[in-house]
Amino acid sequence: SQTIHQWPATLVQPVGSPLSLECTVEGTSNPNLYWYRQAAGRGLQLLFYSVGIGQISSEVPQNLSASRPQDRQFILSSKKLLLSDSGFYLCAWKGTGDTGELFFGEGSRLTVL
Amino acid sequence: AQKVTQAQTEISVVEKEDVTLDCVYETRDTTYYLFWYKQPPSGELVFLIRRNSFDEQNEISGRYSWNFQKSTSSFNFTITASQVVDSAVYFCALRPGPNDYKLSFGAGTTVTVRA
Repeated sequence: SQTIHQWPATLVQPVGSPLSLECTVEGTSNPNLYWYRQAAGRGLQLLFYSVGIGQISSEVPQNLSASRPQDRQFILSSKKLLLSDSGFYLCAWKGTGDTGELFFGEGSRLTVL
Repeated sequence: AQKVTQAQTEISVVEKEDVTLDCVYETRDTTYYLFWYKQPPSGELVFLIRRNSFDEQNEISGRYSWNFQKSTSSFNFTITASQVVDSAVYFCALRPGPNDYKLSFGAGTTVTVRA
């Protein structure tokens, strides 16, 4: 069966520090992968998605970036964090078939101080 | 552009009451998919149900049921005989078109079920 994992689960970082959140999927090959952010008390905002290795589409201009160095690995990064980057980050993969439901990881809670 | 609106911010009920969550969507696509997700306090989003735009038959799955009305662009979700474990944030989501695999989410409705 397919599984998705994110780490770290919780992160507290100072403003201006770098960021790296990792997401890996097991049990499937060449999945579509997604990074969403959920600000406190708000809905989910799509940040990036990827349809294959090295292929990244950005939905929202910001100081974050994403990379897909391997088929089942998706990384969210920043060179210098801002206070506004605080939030709950969720990685997801698209299930097989055409219906397109996404399956999410456990999430990574980032607090920028 | 696609848009999903969940007008209810919070709903509080007593255990065993039914809870209906409203969702209204906007899309120009004729083929699209609608979803409901549950986010318990742990934070992980859990996929609950899916509906295709070309199938308006409403269904029941256990204590969950949904009412898809294409004429009013609504996709409401009902939890029957609510339980404390149903307390969570519920999100409605829209996937527009057969070739677009990005989901747009509503702002979520927080459901609190009191014992």
